[in-house]
Amino acid sequence: QVQLQESGPGLVKPSQTLSLTCTVSGGSISSGSYYWSWFRQPAGKGLEWVGRIYTGEGTNYNPSLKSRVTISVDTSKNQFSLTLSSVTAADTAVYYCARDPYSSTAIWGQGTLVTVSS
Amino acid sequence: EIVLTQSPDFQSVSPKEKVTITCRASQSIGSSLHWYQQKPDQSPKLLIKYASQSFSGVPSRFSGSGSGTDFTLTINSLEAEDGATYYCHQSSSLPHTFGQGTKVEIK
Repeated sequence: QVQLQESGPGLVKPSQTLSLTCTVSGGSISSGSYYWSWFRQPAGKGLEWVGRIYTGEGTNYNPSLKSRVTISVDTSKNQFSLTLSSVTAADTAVYYCARDPYSSTAIWGQGTLVTVSS
Repeated sequence: EIVLTQSPDFQSVSPKEKVTITCRASQSIGSSLHWYQQKPDQSPKLLIKYASQSFSGVPSRFSGSGSGTDFTLTINSLEAEDGATYYCHQSSSLPHTFGQGTKVEIK
């Protein structure tokens, strides 16, 4: 049974880069063709789509994050990653990773809280 | 960007009652509308994909309908475990967007 687990620093200083990893267990990130996605949710607020990478191909990002976001896949580690540069307090949120978030093969991680503060 | 507007924002409902949540899109999105349930401190759980297709393992009391700009999530015979916030989500065009959420409280 495939599972996803987010990991990364829980605290990031303003202006620095947020880096999160989503580890895929119970299956290979290279098997099949999937959208590997990131979402976020500030405390007490709604969900926001951050972006996605299609297995072995292109990426799509939320324009609201402009050029600050990058999503990549590391097949050797069975992981995909999110980096968000020049963070501010507005980037404080729970970040979720997901595989094919709205398909028959949808799987979501448990989420990880990232706080931006000095 | 497509804006999704849910109504109501909050609903307090007794067990066994029927719940109806609507989601209106700012432009036509065909059937590319999905519904999630989220409980406190949990990740969203997919209930309905592509407007009316139930995700595996979801109780049959949850159903979805609609197309174009108007969509509905229905919970028949509400159970205590259904207290949660429900979100609609469109994947018709980038960026993918969510509704603001509807909180369902069990009386």
